[in-house]
Amino acid sequence: NAGVTQTPKFRILKIGQSMTLQCTQDMNHNYMYWYRQDPGMGLKLIYYSVGAGITDKGEVPNGYNVSRSTTEDFPLRLELAAPSQTSVYFCASNNPANTIYFGEGSWLTVV
Amino acid sequence: AQTVTQSQPEMSVQEAETVTLSCTYDTSESDYYLFWYKQPPSRQMILVIRQEAYKQQNATENRFSVNFQKAAKSFSLKISDSQLGDAAMYFCAYRSGNTDKLIFGTGTRLQVFP
Repeated sequence: NAGVTQTPKFRILKIGQSMTLQCTQDMNHNYMYWYRQDPGMGLKLIYYSVGAGITDKGEVPNGYNVSRSTTEDFPLRLELAAPSQTSVYFCASNNPANTIYFGEGSWLTVV
Repeated sequence: AQTVTQSQPEMSVQEAETVTLSCTYDTSESDYYLFWYKQPPSRQMILVIRQEAYKQQNATENRFSVNFQKAAKSFSLKISDSQLGDAAMYFCAYRSGNTDKLIFGTGTRLQVFP
């Protein structure tokens, strides 16, 4: 079983560039989340979605956008990348009351 | 807004001993879930234990158990018979039953000494 798949795993961006982090899950989960984790810190919720066509802001949404056109996919878009967005990004999914599954993480460096 | 606080940045324990990690949370909701996650150096998040707020009984999973004090908004994790493989970052997490927002504390780094 693939679970939650994130791509790319590593990426270096220049300041001002844009990119999309892809996240796909094959468990038919309604709930999906994007987090960032800075070195030595906890996870901060960026955006989340409770189903196709529905997205909500988390704790740190500025500088990011998401969409949820299908149950399986929840891409995270970075517009005008800034050094402050250097972080490890995690996508996760679950159904209510079920175990939360995390992707393996995407390491992003903005230089 | 809900918050999750882990006041212990680092803890250490001797192998085979017991250690307790603290977590407090703040919420005005009555419907929520609480979790403890383990994050080894590989960065993958591993579910350790979960607790539904409406359940009074403390959750237990083998050597891991929680002390859920709903009135005090406290959710501590007890690890018994600690093993070297328990060394990791441990995150406390809260999920709203109303909005499904899932937020995490800042984590506690657990070291296990032989």
